[in-house]
Amino acid sequence: EAGVTQFPSHSVIEKGQTVTLRCDPISGHDNLYWYRRVMGKEIKFLLHFVKESKQDESGMPNNRFLAERTGGTYSTLKVQPAELEDSGVYFCASSQGAIGGETQYFGPGTRLLVL
Amino acid sequence: SQKIEQNSEALNIQEGKTATLTCNYTNYSPAYLQWYRQDPGRGPVFLLLIRENEKEKRKERLKVTFDTTLKQSLFHITASQPADSATYLCAPSSMDSNYQLIWGAGTKLIIKP
Repeated sequence: EAGVTQFPSHSVIEKGQTVTLRCDPISGHDNLYWYRRVMGKEIKFLLHFVKESKQDESGMPNNRFLAERTGGTYSTLKVQPAELEDSGVYFCASSQGAIGGETQYFGPGTRLLVL
Repeated sequence: SQKIEQNSEALNIQEGKTATLTCNYTNYSPAYLQWYRQDPGRGPVFLLLIRENEKEKRKERLKVTFDTTLKQSLFHITASQPADSATYLCAPSSMDSNYQLIWGAGTKLIIKP
């Protein structure tokens, strides 16, 4: 069974540009999460999808970030326009259930560097 | 605000000994607490979950304890091996955070042969 995949693995862009990150969860997992880890800091929750609906987007930093999950399969996270502080590693995870006690399976992350 | 603290300094342990990692939390009453392992360049990998009404959980060489009075979880690896070297993250969750995981910064464990 394929795990969670993320694309691209790395992205280097200039401030003001747009970047779109993609996450393909494990097949059959209704729950999809986005997280971010800024260098030297802890992982921070961004957003949680249940199928195609945003269950919790309390962690999204601002309106420059837009997440979608059309059809309830893969998800995209767009940053537009990117700022220097958006640099970090963006992780995606998926799970079958979502009551806090469910195992989350993580992708390898997308390393974003904004210059 | 909710705070999760893990030892920021690397923990060096001799192979074969027991490694013990600490996770303390404040302003928080988690219903669940998960431990993950993260290797460089990879995403976190789930290891163990313990519930608030459980004192201890074991899985092979791993053991997790949960003390809601001390607001602390301990993660033990017995008979440690160099392959256990990684960063270990604790991530509690509760209704207060919509059951979303709140992460510690992780402790880097180095097992020396």
